[in-house]
Amino acid sequence: QVQLVESGGGVVQPGRSLRLSCATSGFTLSRFGMHWVRQAPGKGLEWVAVSWKTGGDGSYADSVKGRFTIARDNSNNTLSLQMDSVRAEDTAVYYCVRDGGSSEFYFDYWGQGSLVTVSS
Amino acid sequence: EIVLTQSPGTLSLSPGERATLSCRASQSVAYSYLAWYQQKPGRAPSLLISGASKRATGVPDRFSGSGSGTDFTLTISRLEPEDVAVYYCQQYNKSPPTFGQGTKVEIK
Repeated sequence: QVQLVESGGGVVQPGRSLRLSCATSGFTLSRFGMHWVRQAPGKGLEWVAVSWKTGGDGSYADSVKGRFTIARDNSNNTLSLQMDSVRAEDTAVYYCVRDGGSSEFYFDYWGQGSLVTVSS
Repeated sequence: EIVLTQSPGTLSLSPGERATLSCRASQSVAYSYLAWYQQKPGRAPSLLISGASKRATGVPDRFSGSGSGTDFTLTISRLEPEDVAVYYCQQYNKSPPTFGQGTKVEIK
C-alpha cells in the first residue's frame, strides 16, 4: 500500500534553515508528481510546491518562492523540502502528498505530517 | 488565483440526516477540476472526490459530489458519527491549486 512518511520537522529560529524528508513506498515514485502542502495551526490547507515526476526544477507558491527548494531521488524513493530563510509564518504541519497522476494537481495520498515551528 | 468560498462554516446535524456542503469559485473551474477532502480531528486530510463527482477508492457511496463552473456541492446522504470532520474543496484547474477555508461537520 502507498505510504508517505515525513521526517525532519522541529523548532527552528527565524532566518535559519531546515530540511524535511519524505520516504515513499508502495508505488513507483518516478510515475507521479509529488507535492508539499502545509497547514498552519488551526488554519486551512496551503499548497507549497510540486516536484515533477522526472525531477528538475519544481514549481512553488509565491509565499515560499526563492526560499524553499523541492527535490526528489527516484532511485531512493525520497522527496525533500529544503527550507531556507524561514519566517514565523512558515510555522505549520507540512504534508508530503502524492499527485493524482503525473501532474494532475489533486492529491490522492497524504503523509501523517511533520510539524515545523519557527520561533526564537 | 482562484478563490474558493465554502459554506456554511459549521454544519451541526443529527445522525442519519443529509448534509449539503457548498463550494463557490471566484471564476469558472474548467473540466470540473475540483476535489473534496475530509480531515478528521488530529489526522491528515484524505481524498474523497476528484473531478467534481468521482469517488476515491474506498469512499462510501453516501458521499457524492456534483456541480460545474463556479458552484460545487458535496452531499453526505445519511450522516454517520464517523463523518465528524472538516471538509475542504480544492480546485486544480489553474495554478496555484487553492483550497477553500473548510466546512466543519458536527453531530448534534
